[in-house]
Amino acid sequence: KQEVTQIPAALSVPEGENLVLNCSFTDSAIYNLQWFRQDPGKGLTSLLLIQSSQREQTSGRLNASLDKSSGRSTLYIAASQPGDSATYLCAVMTTDSWGKLQFGAGTQVVVTP
Amino acid sequence: SAVISQKPSRDICQRGTSLTIQCQVDSQVTMMFWYRQQPGQSLTLIATANQGSEATYESGFVIDKFPISRPNLTFSTLTVSNMSPEDSSIYLCSVVSSSFSYEQYFGPGTRLTVT
Repeated sequence: KQEVTQIPAALSVPEGENLVLNCSFTDSAIYNLQWFRQDPGKGLTSLLLIQSSQREQTSGRLNASLDKSSGRSTLYIAASQPGDSATYLCAVMTTDSWGKLQFGAGTQVVVTP
Repeated sequence: SAVISQKPSRDICQRGTSLTIQCQVDSQVTMMFWYRQQPGQSLTLIATANQGSEATYESGFVIDKFPISRPNLTFSTLTVSNMSPEDSSIYLCSVVSSSFSYEQYFGPGTRLTVT
């Protein structure tokens, strides 16, 4: 059974610092890994999707890497802003569970002005 | 990407009653799912909503408690039946893109409070 872990559970940084969020998974037979952002009481916004054959994806200040063999992904957010304050979730889709996502518990990020 | 809407956005219900949540997508999709997010927790998959057939439930979830309908490729409903305070959660529907990427998109969620 796939287990997804996110470390740290919470993170507080001053504005301008880079953010590093970690995600690990136990079953390397994944199809893809997706990073989401969730604001309090709201739905999920997809940030980046990495296919199992890819090593990284970039979108603006966001960069996500994937090391499938070691079961790890890292989300980097450059030059953080107070608007980046949210909970960040990673989720994996394994090859035997098409469409179904297994989520980590999330990292709650606070960026202070 | 897909645009997903949910109704209602939030509700406060009495225990023992039922609530039906609607999910509407702006395009036809094959795969549609319902997730639950309990307070302070991450998301847990409830079931896969299958068009034209019964939903497929994950371990710990049953049809009598969470009946699901999927009459076409753009719409689904989830009913939370005989509610108790433990059902207080955010309920989210999601769809998978039809491209090979299998990127998943989520609706804004329905925040349910059971008193």
